[in-house]
Amino acid sequence: EVQLVESGGGLVQPGGSLRLSCAASGFTFSRFWMIWVRQAPGRGLEWVANIKQDGSLIYYVDSVKGRFTISRDNAKNSLYLQMNSLRVEDTALYYCTRDQSYSDSRGYYDAFDLWGQGTLVTVSS
Amino acid sequence: AIQMTQSPSSLSASVGDRVTITCRASQGIRNELGWYQQKPGKAPKLLIYAASSLQSGVPSRFSGRGSGTDFTLTITSLQPEDFATYYCLHDFNYPRTFGQGTKVEIK
Repeated sequence: EVQLVESGGGLVQPGGSLRLSCAASGFTFSRFWMIWVRQAPGRGLEWVANIKQDGSLIYYVDSVKGRFTISRDNAKNSLYLQMNSLRVEDTALYYCTRDQSYSDSRGYYDAFDLWGQGTLVTVSS
Repeated sequence: AIQMTQSPSSLSASVGDRVTITCRASQGIRNELGWYQQKPGKAPKLLIYAASSLQSGVPSRFSGRGSGTDFTLTITSLQPEDFATYYCLHDFNYPRTFGQGTKVEIK
């Protein structure tokens, strides 16, 4: 079965750290860019970070730069998000998602075609 | 960063209605836009990519249009399973940004 399964969420105090993991199965993980997206309680979706297939290109939303690190292990079919210096505003459900590439006569496109169920991170004292 | 503004923020509609949601980008993004559906307690689901291309398995009552800065998602003949929140997302550059969402509720 093609799926993504996140783990590692939990309750952490402000300033603390947490490492999220995402286990991929049913597809060739190493062929895809991978992404973390988060959703604060009752709020909308926010893109957090992207990582290229070989890890050579990484992008972050400004609010997590210098605090979060996205990484991957293609041999283990796994994606990670190391979160340091956590803030109350980082409280959210964190989704792992796959970036599928499409192309047609007009150009090239990316879209998030496969999502995990999410792992909840709560930052609170 | 490109700002994505959706309208309306919420709407009430009946089964069988035609519904249109708008997404406006703060700068031109060609047709590099997707639409996602999210039901309560569930992960988002890709509906449309490249502004108008239907993702495999998505019913044909969903359609997307637009290019540049203005985009629409239309649901013809709204079905009970379509009551959800819809988000646009651009893939033009980084950072990727979502619209704030449009909640489609039952009238």
